[in-house]
Amino acid sequence: AQSVTQLDSQVPVFEEAPVELRCNYSSSVSVYLFWYVQYPNQGLQLLLKYLSGSTLVKGINGFEAEFNKSQTSFHLRKPSVHISDTAEYFCAVTRGVQGAQKLVFGQGTRLTINP
Amino acid sequence: DTAVSQTPKYLVTQMGNDKSIKCEQNLGHDTMYWYKQDSKKFLKIMFSYNNKELIINETVPNRFSPKSPDKAHLNLHINSLELGDSAVYFCASSPGHRYNEQFFGPGTRLTVL
Repeated sequence: AQSVTQLDSQVPVFEEAPVELRCNYSSSVSVYLFWYVQYPNQGLQLLLKYLSGSTLVKGINGFEAEFNKSQTSFHLRKPSVHISDTAEYFCAVTRGVQGAQKLVFGQGTRLTINP
Repeated sequence: DTAVSQTPKYLVTQMGNDKSIKCEQNLGHDTMYWYKQDSKKFLKIMFSYNNKELIINETVPNRFSPKSPDKAHLNLHINSLELGDSAVYFCASSPGHRYNEQFFGPGTRLTVL
């Protein structure tokens, strides 16, 4: 079975500071990893994904994540955050099912940006 | 243009009632999903349909019944609503390939009194 653990439920940072949101996964098979963002009162939007290849993945809005197989981690980073980055962030792992994708989500990390 | 839309956005109802949530996508995707997000923001997949065929059916009470009249629509019908059904329900869609991005609707907040 696959599972995802987001180590921080809340992360407060000041505007223009760097941030790292931590994600660890467990899986007995090859994994495909995703980070989604949920802005207040909205649905989820894909930030980035790791399927294969380079372990450093760049996404939208200046975010990036690094896949570390030995540490089973997929931490999300941004060098300088903005007020508009305030949102809930979800790490997810998938197991492909014929014709579909079964996403297993972490508990979410609430990122709060203070001016 | 809205890619994945859900109606209604808010739904307040009494325990024991039956209600439906509708979802439509105009992206031409083959696969659609229903997720439940509880009060602690935890997201869990409930169902998935591919070309109108049910292919993911998680451990969900049989009071929940999805229906896909065509590829662009996936509705969720809930019988005999209970307090614990209160949550935000998200519809999503994706192309048929396994590891593509899922596109989420804005959610339906269901409150059972």
